[in-house]
Amino acid sequence: AQRVTQPEKLLSVFKGAPVELKCNYSYSGSPELFWYVQYSRQRLQLLLRHISRESIKGFTADLNKGETSFHLKKPFAQEEDSAMYYCALSGPYTDKLIFGTGTRLQVFP
Amino acid sequence: EAGVAQSPRYKIIEKRQSVAFWCNPISGHATLYWYQQILGQGPKLLIQFQNNGVVDDSQLPKDRFSAERLKGVDSTLKIQPAKLEDSAVYLCASSNSGRVTDTQYFGPGTRLTVL
Repeated sequence: AQRVTQPEKLLSVFKGAPVELKCNYSYSGSPELFWYVQYSRQRLQLLLRHISRESIKGFTADLNKGETSFHLKKPFAQEEDSAMYYCALSGPYTDKLIFGTGTRLQVFP
Repeated sequence: EAGVAQSPRYKIIEKRQSVAFWCNPISGHATLYWYQQILGQGPKLLIQFQNNGVVDDSQLPKDRFSAERLKGVDSTLKIQPAKLEDSAVYLCASSNSGRVTDTQYFGPGTRLTVL
């Protein structure tokens, strides 16, 4: 079955500390993977996607097919990074998104 | 460009009542999605339209939920009759053409409380 697992409901760090939001998936085939973010009082929006291999707002995510993981990382957290982060996947031939349960990141000053 | 619009933003009803939500996608976007997000969970796709045709409604509880996109632009999602477990945020999203490479843009959501 297709599934996205985000094991941490809450991750709290201090400003300047490294951040790693964990995401594991199960999928028979080669999925496309995404990170979505929802800042307070804002809409859910795309942060980055695996196929673009991009870095957005200092965040990167590497697909590890052996470990079926797509962890989101940032070397130095900022207070404005505080938000809800959702990992999601879709198939190579469908854009239907399957979301994880989300991790709330709190960055303290 | 204007984003995805949804109304109402909040709705409180009693169980067994009916409710309808409206969504207007980004202009020119052919694909429209309705998601249900229950508290503490990620969004779950209920139905996907490509223009005015249904692409995927496999997770739509069809005994009580219905959705339409008659002219291939705006859409309505209806629940009749509502149950307590339907309390959730209902998100509408749209994308250019529904390809995997397209970005889905989300609306602000409608928070439904069923008492």
